[in-house]
Amino acid sequence: DAKTTQPTSMDCAEGRAANLPCNHSTISGNEYVYWYRQIHSQGPQYIIHGLKNNETNEMASLIITEDRKSSTLILPHATLRDTAVYYCIVRALTGANNLFFGTGTRLTVIP
Amino acid sequence: NAGVTQTPKFQVLKTGQSMTLQCAQDMNHEYMSWYRQDPGMGLRLIHYSVGAGITDQGEVPNGYNVSRSTTEDFPLRLLSAAPSQTSVYFCASSLFSGTVFNYGYTFGSGTRLTVV
Repeated sequence: DAKTTQPTSMDCAEGRAANLPCNHSTISGNEYVYWYRQIHSQGPQYIIHGLKNNETNEMASLIITEDRKSSTLILPHATLRDTAVYYCIVRALTGANNLFFGTGTRLTVIP
Repeated sequence: NAGVTQTPKFQVLKTGQSMTLQCAQDMNHEYMSWYRQDPGMGLRLIHYSVGAGITDQGEVPNGYNVSRSTTEDFPLRLLSAAPSQTSVYFCASSLFSGTVFNYGYTFGSGTRLTVV
């Protein structure tokens, strides 16, 4: 699976959009981009995933660049409850289902 | 619908003791896995299973055993606990369509294990 690079930490004002970047320059054509988050010491929570088209669900939007070498997770109106560590993971749908978690981005939403 | 249930939530073991961490899911998910998370680090995969009777090793399998006799349960056994196994353990599950993992994981709330 391709390696991802994320900033260590970010701050965002409450009510504003939080844009979390992820670089995955070695991504292969059959690899998807997944985002998870981990609030405090809870188990990680699945957010969204996509291949090449932009995706949106009730939690967030995922914007993948045309060359697929980077992506951005967007939380449209960040709340204090969105404070968490956000993990960007790249993996293929076939083969061993091993999600490799890096150290992620620690997002702090500021009142 | 309870999702993924892990027991116990907290456990203290003495070096050399053995124990089993329990994981159960009620979503009929074929895939289940165990991760450990050490302070300030991401999750590392210990073992996983794509269905009853099928298990395989992840990144850090040494010192741990697993079995999958039913779809619902995936226990993790520590054979002889060591201080290096002090960690938070998470169990996860997902749907699996034979060769395609086009679904997100559901994680349990974790078991915090301390080995003294």
